[in-house]
Amino acid sequence: GQQLNQSPQSMFIQEGEDVSMNCTSSSIFNTWLWYKQDPGEGPVLLIALYKAGELTSNGRLTAQFGITRKDSFLNISASIPSDVGIYFCAGQITNAGGTSYGKLTFGQGTILTVHP
Amino acid sequence: DADVTQTPRNRITKTGKRIMLECSQTKGHDRMYWYRQDPGLGLRLIYYSFDVKDINKGEISDGYSVSRQAQAKFSLSLESAIPNQTALYFCATSDLAMGLAGVKQYFGPGTRLTVT
Repeated sequence: GQQLNQSPQSMFIQEGEDVSMNCTSSSIFNTWLWYKQDPGEGPVLLIALYKAGELTSNGRLTAQFGITRKDSFLNISASIPSDVGIYFCAGQITNAGGTSYGKLTFGQGTILTVHP
Repeated sequence: DADVTQTPRNRITKTGKRIMLECSQTKGHDRMYWYRQDPGLGLRLIYYSFDVKDINKGEISDGYSVSRQAQAKFSLSLESAIPNQTALYFCATSDLAMGLAGVKQYFGPGTRLTVT
C-alpha cells in the first residue's frame, strides 16, 4: 500500500528558530495536506496543496507541493511556544476533476518541541 | 459547540468486552471516517462511509465494525476487544462537494481507548 515517510521524527528547537520538515512518498498524490495535533486534541488542517509546484502560506507556515508529486515540505518561521505539537502530512488521490476519493494516507508525524 | 464530537473521550475496558465509540457531526457532511492513531504510526484508516448506505473497509478493518445510523452519526464497534486495540481513535468528516472542497477532512477530539 501507499506509504508516507515523514522526517524528522522529532525536533527540539529554541523559540524564534525556523523549522523545516518534509514528507516523501513511494506513490504520486494529487493533493497534499498538512495537519497539526495539539495534545489531547484531534488534528487540525493547516494547509492544503492541490498542484505540483504549488507554494502556499498560512501566517508563519509555508508548505510546498513537490514537482514530482511524491513529496511535500512544511516550514515554520520564527517559532513560538504554541507551535508545540505533532505535525502530520497526508496525501490524497483525486480524480481529474479534483473530486476526492476520500481516503487520506498519513505520515508518521513530526513531534515539535519549542523551548522558550 | 464543536462540529465533530466523539463519545466517550476516554474508556478503559477488559479483553473480550464489546465496546462502541460514537461520532456525531453538525457540519452537514456526507462523508465520515474512523481512524486509529498509534505512536510513531500516524493515523490509519479503519472504515469510511460516503453516505448512509455506503460503508467501506479501510486499511485496518479487522476486529472492527461500523454503523452509519444517519448522515450525522457514525459509530465504531469492537466486538471483542483485545489489548492491541489500545489506541487513540478519531472520527473525521468531509464534504461530498465536487472539486477541491471535498479534499479537506475535519477531525473530532478523539477517544482514548485502553483494553486491559
